[in-house]
Amino acid sequence: SAVISQKPSRDICQRGTSLTIQCQVDSQVTMMFWYRQQPGQSLTLIATANQGSEATYESGFVIDKFPISRPNLTFSTLTVSNMSPEDSSIYLCSVETDPGQGLVGYTFGSGTRLTVV
Amino acid sequence: QKEVEQNSGPLSVPEGAIASLNCTYSDRGSQSFFWYRQYSGKSPELIMSIYSNGDKEDGRFTAQLNKASQYVSLLIRDSQPSDSATYLCAGKDSGGSNYKLTFGKGTLLTVNP
Repeated sequence: SAVISQKPSRDICQRGTSLTIQCQVDSQVTMMFWYRQQPGQSLTLIATANQGSEATYESGFVIDKFPISRPNLTFSTLTVSNMSPEDSSIYLCSVETDPGQGLVGYTFGSGTRLTVV
Repeated sequence: QKEVEQNSGPLSVPEGAIASLNCTYSDRGSQSFFWYRQYSGKSPELIMSIYSNGDKEDGRFTAQLNKASQYVSLLIRDSQPSDSATYLCAGKDSGGSNYKLTFGKGTLLTVNP
């Protein structure tokens, strides 16, 4: 299955600042997904990033708050802008596992644990 | 709003027992389902996927799917302390958003030595 490198693994940020999270995949993928996992909660999809087009955002998430870049088929970034303590979460990127590579599903990066103070 | 519901847990079983985790989903058109294991402080790890009605076995894990009842389950046989984790059920959406997963809230499993 695809191997995803995500960084930073964790950060503590001041409110009002922005953090950019990077995901690098070891193979070309059409879609990359960004999730948020708030403390004690399950995963919520923020947006889907396609190369060459604007990201598609889920209800409750907007581009001004979570701008996404997808410059090529192996890389994406998610920025958390103008942060508040409510943005403290784990942020995860994900790609669909290539059929034929064994278990078909979605693989996750190692996550970014963000704390906003 | 597509929803995936999991039995609330937490679930505690003795070592060597069978752990049974259950999930129901609202999207009747959903065709693919996944079970993820998430250790505390780690990202989710895919352990099973199932697309057809019936059972699918992989080692100590068996996934069961009943599309008529919109029900998915995961059985873990001979449970080990290392199986202690949160288990997340996810369904792949149908229709125009069929590239997306909807996750349940997860069930925390503890296997006691």
